[in-house]
Amino acid sequence: AQSVAQPEDQVNVAEGNPLTVKCTYSVSGNPYLFWYVQYPNRGLQFLLKYITGDNLVKGSYGFEAEFNKSQTSFHLKKPSALVSDSALYFCAVRTMNRDDKIIFGKGTRLHILP
Amino acid sequence: GAGVSQSPSNKVTEKGKDVELRCDPISGHTALYWYRQSLGQGLEFLIYFQGNSAPDKSGLPSDRFSAERTGGSVSTLTIQRTQQEDSAVYLCASSLPTSGADTQYFGPGTRLTVL
Repeated sequence: AQSVAQPEDQVNVAEGNPLTVKCTYSVSGNPYLFWYVQYPNRGLQFLLKYITGDNLVKGSYGFEAEFNKSQTSFHLKKPSALVSDSALYFCAVRTMNRDDKIIFGKGTRLHILP
Repeated sequence: GAGVSQSPSNKVTEKGKDVELRCDPISGHTALYWYRQSLGQGLEFLIYFQGNSAPDKSGLPSDRFSAERTGGSVSTLTIQRTQQEDSAVYLCASSLPTSGADTQYFGPGTRLTVL
């Protein structure tokens, strides 16, 4: 069965510091991995995804994520955090069978402190 | 349209009443998803449509929940005999179903409050 874990409910980072939001997954076969962000009072927005190829994926707003097959992780990173990055971040996984549903993690609330 | 739209944006109802939530996907997107977001619970998958058919209904929490999609476009999620535990934000998303890697585009959600 597919599953995804975001071990931190909340992450606090000072503005200008690097940030990491953790995600680990479990899936049979090769995964598709996604990060979505939900800003306050707004809908979910796509940030980035890993399909195949280069393990380092770059996405919107300066975010990137690294696919690590041996550790079954897909942590979200940004070199220098902005206060405007404060939001709820969701990791998601799906198999290559398009009839499989996408599974979302419980979300990690990121607080960037000015 | 420019994005996924959902209506109503907010719905307050009394326990035991039926409610109907609507989702209008992006034009041309044949895949449509319903999720429920409860406080602290993340996103809970409810149902997935490919065109008008629903290959995966496994997430529907009970037989009080049903969904349909007609014309490969608009979808309605119906909750019968609402209960207080149904209170949540119901999100709809659509995508191009060319592969499992398709990005989902989410609507703003319907906030349902059952009194």
